[in-house]
Amino acid sequence: RKEVEQDPGPFNVPEGATVAFNCTYSNSASQSFFWYRQDCRKEPKLLMSVYSSGNEDGRFTAQLNRASQYISLLIRDSKLSDSATYLCVVTLNYGQNFVFGPGTRLSVLP
Amino acid sequence: NAGVTQTPKFQVLKTGQSMTLQCAQDMNHEYMSWYRQDPGMGLRLIHYSVGAGITDQGEVPNGYNVSRSTTEDFPLRLLSAAPSQTSVYFCASSYPDKTQYFGPGTRLLVL
Repeated sequence: RKEVEQDPGPFNVPEGATVAFNCTYSNSASQSFFWYRQDCRKEPKLLMSVYSSGNEDGRFTAQLNRASQYISLLIRDSKLSDSATYLCVVTLNYGQNFVFGPGTRLSVLP
Repeated sequence: NAGVTQTPKFQVLKTGQSMTLQCAQDMNHEYMSWYRQDPGMGLRLIHYSVGAGITDQGEVPNGYNVSRSTTEDFPLRLLSAAPSQTSVYFCASSYPDKTQYFGPGTRLLVL
């Protein structure tokens, strides 16, 4: 089993739609959690950290369930510019190792 | 503030050639790492370093060497290139357990 698994995608949604991505991780010792965004042929960039209480940044909401080892990302009112691959990331080994999920590709259509 | 820089951006090698991918960061981060990304696969960790003089293997270290003589620099050496090493290589840096910042990547083709 992979350490971090994500919805396989791709997700094709119309502008204005709400879309949710799911991620599960296998190691209960995982310490920190992030969502990264990667545009085609570019480097990954941090979208947001994920906190136990859940957190929101504009149209983006992240949730963490440590008991179920599950992370989610909700995007409301999708924009064309949200089209990208979204990577779920957990840290292990006292934060020394970042483990990336395979990513879920989102295409927002006009 | 340049962040994380990588050179070269593109490289074509013949099987058996060696080369060094350069990575530098100016954020005084302790932690640096090298990943490769292949189509349909996530980022896979090759080697990482938690500080100058300290390196360790990641998930896919075979065929690669690293060293960390300074906080700023973390070069990745391909000893004898193979077609299986055709990939996009990303260098990243961070403080432990904090946001990782990535370089723009090096696209490597091994013929």
